[in-house]
Amino acid sequence: QVQLVQTGSELKMPGASVKVSCKASGYTFSNYVMNWVRQAPGQGLEWMGWINTNTGNPTYAQGFTGRFVFSLDTSVSTAYLQISSLKAEDTAVYYCARPLDGTTTLPNYWGQGTLVTVSS
Amino acid sequence: QSALTQPPSASGSPGQSVTISCTGTSSDIGGSNYVSWYQQYPGKAPKLIVYEVRKRPSGVPDRFSGSKSGNTASLTVSGLQAEDEADYYCSSYAGTTRVFGGGTKLTVL
Repeated sequence: QVQLVQTGSELKMPGASVKVSCKASGYTFSNYVMNWVRQAPGQGLEWMGWINTNTGNPTYAQGFTGRFVFSLDTSVSTAYLQISSLKAEDTAVYYCARPLDGTTTLPNYWGQGTLVTVSS
Repeated sequence: QSALTQPPSASGSPGQSVTISCTGTSSDIGGSNYVSWYQQYPGKAPKLIVYEVRKRPSGVPDRFSGSKSGNTASLTVSGLQAEDEADYYCSSYAGTTRVFGGGTKLTVL
């Protein structure tokens, strides 16, 4: 069965960087893109973008360019989200999500989420 | 890209039907058949319950139904059950990006 297992919670200082991993299993990793979605505490979902796991080409949503980087290690079926120059407002749960099928980017299978807390 | 507009809350008694609206623009909902809905329980990841306006993934009860008219999409939950109490988010494909609604908290009275 499809499983996405993410890094555990992270506590970071403002200005630091964090790298969240999303390890996929139960399917052929390169056949489906990987989405990233953010949810700030008590807030709604924000689509951050997705990465083509076949080409490595990322697509970033407005507001997630510059400090946010999607990457892959296809040898271990893992997608990564790196956030640099962390700010307090980056505090959120970050989800990776695989599409329903190979013809769409629609998030369907979700990781358990990674809470990133930015605080001094 | 602005978020889609949902009412912050909705409620209904067990057995009743509730409809949650999601308003966008001609650039997202109005111009797309790729409207979806997610259910989320506190502390859990979202679950896809409707996609492509009215389709349901395998295992989702037919009590959940979706529709669209113009720039507004709707999710109807029929025969409300206590387990339906959750947050619901709409989403639409908008060109090369995807946008979510602000979410609606559904309370079963």
